[in-house]
Amino acid sequence: AQTVTQSQPEMSVQEAETVTLSCTYDTSESDYYLFWYKQPPSRQMILVIRQEAYKQQNATENRFSVNFQKAAKSFSLKISDSQLGDAAMYFCAYRSAAHDMRFGAGTRLTVKP
Amino acid sequence: NAGVMQNPRHLVRRRGQEARLRCSPMKGHSHVYWYRQLPEEGLKFMVYLQKENIIDESGMPKERFSAEFPKEGPSILRIQQVVRGDSAAYFCASSRFRRGLAGTDTQYFGPGTRLTVL
Repeated sequence: AQTVTQSQPEMSVQEAETVTLSCTYDTSESDYYLFWYKQPPSRQMILVIRQEAYKQQNATENRFSVNFQKAAKSFSLKISDSQLGDAAMYFCAYRSAAHDMRFGAGTRLTVKP
Repeated sequence: NAGVMQNPRHLVRRRGQEARLRCSPMKGHSHVYWYRQLPEEGLKFMVYLQKENIIDESGMPKERFSAEFPKEGPSILRIQQVVRGDSAAYFCASSRFRRGLAGTDTQYFGPGTRLTVL
């Protein structure tokens, strides 16, 4: 079964600093997609970044980047120059052609001014 | 381009009543997914629908829950005879293409419906 594990229930970062959120997954499939979603207090799920497993290059979106290690089945999210508005729950998710989205339990990120 | 719309945003029902949750996908999207989020947990997949077809309902409880996506109108998630354990946030997502089509597998989420069962 495809499982997604986020081992950090809570993380904290100082404003303007960098923080890395961890995610590992378990799969026997070779073709799949990985996502990071942000859920602020409004509870809206916002796509932060996505990565196709067949791409070796790590995805980046402005201050957000990932470290995708396919062999290790690891997909961490790095947030640079953290801002107060980055405070939210962050969910890592896995999806493949055969299976729908599997989410991790989430990491609550606090940003300290 | 409006995003995924869900209504109502909040729904309160007493035990035994029916709950109907609506989802209108993004313009141009014909694939809809429903997820449930219990407090302090991640989202759990429930069902995947295309217009007039249920493609994958492997995450749906066997009883009391049903979903449809008619040719016209929004997708509906229906919960009959609600119980307290049904209290959760229910999210709908949509995508342009079918699940698994390479390079197009991004789902966009609606704001969710928070169901409270008294």
